[in-house]
Amino acid sequence: DVKVTQSSRYLVKRTGEKVFLECVQDMDHENMFWYRQDPGLGLRLIYFSYDVKMKEKGDIPEGYSVSREKKERFSLILESASTNQTSMYLCASSLLRGATTSTDTQYFGPGTRLTVL
Amino acid sequence: KQEVTQIPAALSVPEGENLVLNCSFTDSAIYNLQWFRQDPGKGLTSLLLIQSSQREQTSGRLNASLDKSSGRSTLYIAASQPGDSATYLCAVSNAGNMLTFGGGTRLMVKP
Repeated sequence: DVKVTQSSRYLVKRTGEKVFLECVQDMDHENMFWYRQDPGLGLRLIYFSYDVKMKEKGDIPEGYSVSREKKERFSLILESASTNQTSMYLCASSLLRGATTSTDTQYFGPGTRLTVL
Repeated sequence: KQEVTQIPAALSVPEGENLVLNCSFTDSAIYNLQWFRQDPGKGLTSLLLIQSSQREQTSGRLNASLDKSSGRSTLYIAASQPGDSATYLCAVSNAGNMLTFGGGTRLMVKP
């Protein structure tokens, strides 16, 4: 079974703090993704990565950065946390590198609920 | 830009009922469509994946259909149970394995 783990289930931070959210997958997947999920707005893609040291902006990258130093680990960084970044953050991974495929699916972690005070 | 809509946003049914969840999308150039389940405060679990060349997929009491030309999919749940209570999300895949999600249908099955 594919396993995607996230470092924290719940996190409380203060405005202005630097926040690191970690995601690890154990199935040698090429692709990794960070989403945030908010009531009424659904899941929105923040950043994704097709390979080590490679990153691409999603739909809402402002205020975030990412790091992928190892294939299995994808980190989301909030450089200076703000209250509007209070949200549920979901990490996902999928197998095939960037390519168009009709059978690939994304596997999701349990989520990190971040509260910024 | 792809847009995915799910109707209804919420649904409450008595146990044992058969039910249908709807999903529509604006760009028919998709590679696949997936249905996910999300329990409160948890991540997403993939239920069914329908490739663009397929019309339907079945898993147990779940059946998902796809009409790519009209931009529609339905998720049929037979003989619903309280354990089916969750939010169901539809997502379509375009180039590069990018997923666009609908807003979800929150299902409550009452004993």
